[in-house]
Amino acid sequence: GENVEQHPSTLSVQEGDSAVIKCTYSDSASNYFPWYKQELGKGPQLIIDIRSNVGEKKDQRIAVTLNKTAKHFSLHITETQPEDSAVYFCAAMLTSNTGKLIFGQGTTLQVKP
Amino acid sequence: NAGVTQTPKFRVLKTGQSMTLLCAQDMNHEYMYWYRQDPGMGLRLIHYSVGEGTTAKGEVPDGYNVSRLKKQNFLLGLESAAPSQTSVYFCASRPGQYNSPLHFGNGTRLTVT
Repeated sequence: GENVEQHPSTLSVQEGDSAVIKCTYSDSASNYFPWYKQELGKGPQLIIDIRSNVGEKKDQRIAVTLNKTAKHFSLHITETQPEDSAVYFCAAMLTSNTGKLIFGQGTTLQVKP
Repeated sequence: NAGVTQTPKFRVLKTGQSMTLLCAQDMNHEYMYWYRQDPGMGLRLIHYSVGEGTTAKGEVPDGYNVSRLKKQNFLLGLESAAPSQTSVYFCASRPGQYNSPLHFGNGTRLTVT
């Protein structure tokens, strides 16, 4: 089955710096890759997603890149702010009617003011 | 719109006791999922449902049962709780459209002593 590896597990940056989180997946048939942000005591919330027919997608300070050949995708946050501090999860969806979403292990991002 | 609502928010069980976690969504979504979240392991899929009356096993189904008698509700049952089932449980739902994102509830924190 699909396996998703996420690195690093923790990341600390200064406010205003950029943060990059990387994920690799095992099933080359996966074609949907969302990123979720989880704040303390809450459920994960979608922040950006990318489909396999696209190499890069951007939404203000957040961007995601996808390399299908290497089977890896990355989240880039520019000009980080303290409110970006949270746990971030990448995920990969198998190409079937089940829509099973397999998650990475999570990255705890701390943005220091 | 309430979105995805999970009850209860917290629960403490003794080993061997049983309980049912309720997930309700008001978005008319076809697909529903139960995940558990443990430190350093991300979100792992327990069971899921692709429509009313259907259920299927995820990555870690042992010790759990589910039912989807009504489209808006997805129940997760623990017949005989074990300390290894101490976790935070998240329910999620999504529409039937291809590659649509998951919407999560705010979780149920379960402790088994």
